[in-house]
Amino acid sequence: GESVGLHLPTLSVQEGDNSIINCAYSNSASDYFIWYKQESGKGPQFIIDIRSNMDKRQGQRVTVLLNKTVKHLSLQIAATQPGDSAVYFCAAKEGNEKLTFGTGTRLTIIP
Amino acid sequence: GAVVSQHPSRVICKSGTSVKIECRSLDFQATTMFWYRQFPKQSLMLMATSNEGSKATYEQGVEKDKFLINHASLTLSTLTVTSAHPEDSSFYICSASRVEGGRPLHFGNGTRLTVT
Repeated sequence: GESVGLHLPTLSVQEGDNSIINCAYSNSASDYFIWYKQESGKGPQFIIDIRSNMDKRQGQRVTVLLNKTVKHLSLQIAATQPGDSAVYFCAAKEGNEKLTFGTGTRLTIIP
Repeated sequence: GAVVSQHPSRVICKSGTSVKIECRSLDFQATTMFWYRQFPKQSLMLMATSNEGSKATYEQGVEKDKFLINHASLTLSTLTVTSAHPEDSSFYICSASRVEGGRPLHFGNGTRLTVT
């Protein structure tokens, strides 16, 4: 089965700086990955996804990097804002199997 | 964008009673809905997947007779926690997908269940 972990449970970043949240997965056959943002008391919010045939994908202020060789995924948030403070989850799946969520990293933006 | 509404946001009930949680897709037809459970400071654990008009598929270890899921229409799925116990207290979150077997991209805001 798949297990997905995050390297750091918490991360504090100065407002305006860039942040990088890392994630490792175990199943080399995983072919789809998603990053979610979850604010306190709310459900997860889709941020960005990437398929295994890509190694980089960019959105608005966010970039996801995928390194299949070492089974590593990262989320980069540029020019962080107070509203970026939340818990960030990565999730991975293989084919039609269910999504497996990581344990989450709490990102705190310091004003 | 796609909106998933979940109700109630919070519920407190006594042991032995049943609680129903509703999940509605407001602006799209949700062929597939997912129900998750989340403990404090932990990740989301998939409980079951339901496709409209068919029986839900439960994950291993999830009691289908305790957590009743109904997905009778393309815009509504319900989760009923029957004979609730304090250990059922948790944050329950639904998610919906337009496509059968699709990815859970749109989540509700969750229901905080407290069983006393």
